[in-house]
Amino acid sequence: EAAVTQSPRSKVAVTGGKVTLSCHQTNNHDYMYWYRQDTGHGLRLIHYSYVADSTEKGDIPDGYKASRPSQENFSLILELASLSQTAVYFCASSDRNTEVFFGKGTRLTVV
Amino acid sequence: GDSVTQMQGQVTLSEDDFLFINCTYSTTWYPTLFWYVQYPGEGPQLLLKVTTANNKGISRGFEATYDKGTTSFHLQKASVQESDSAVYYCVLGNQGKLIFGQGTKLSIKP
Repeated sequence: EAAVTQSPRSKVAVTGGKVTLSCHQTNNHDYMYWYRQDTGHGLRLIHYSYVADSTEKGDIPDGYKASRPSQENFSLILELASLSQTAVYFCASSDRNTEVFFGKGTRLTVV
Repeated sequence: GDSVTQMQGQVTLSEDDFLFINCTYSTTWYPTLFWYVQYPGEGPQLLLKVTTANNKGISRGFEATYDKGTTSFHLQKASVQESDSAVYYCVLGNQGKLIFGQGTKLSIKP
């Protein structure tokens, strides 16, 4: 069974603070993704990576950085958290042109 | 740019009712179309995949078809059950990158 694990599952951060969301996959997949979910908007792609040590911008990258230090790990970094970044964040993995597997999500609240 | 539109934000049915959710898309490439389902507290998971080659996908009693002429694709099920309560997303895919519709929340009255 494909596995994508996110940590933490829930976090409260203060405005202007730094937030790091972590993701680990045991699927041996080359592709990893970070999506953001907001009510009424479905999921939107923030950053993705198809190889370690390289990341690509998705559809809504502003205010976010990503890091892929190894094939298994992919982090999303908010250097200066803002209220508008309150959302649920999903990490996912896949091989090229295959099924995408999602983690259970991280609920981030910025206050 | 590429986009997916789901107009039905919420659908409420009784058990054994017929389900139909429609979706339209816009893209410049040959699309692979998906339906993903999300249960409470979980991430989305693949329900069905439809390619331009086969026009149809079937899984777990759900059927998805697409119409290239109207750039629409829909999800249907003949008889819904309470366990089908979830949010359903139509999704446009390209090499793993996914573009999600807004989602349709399906509620089933027992």
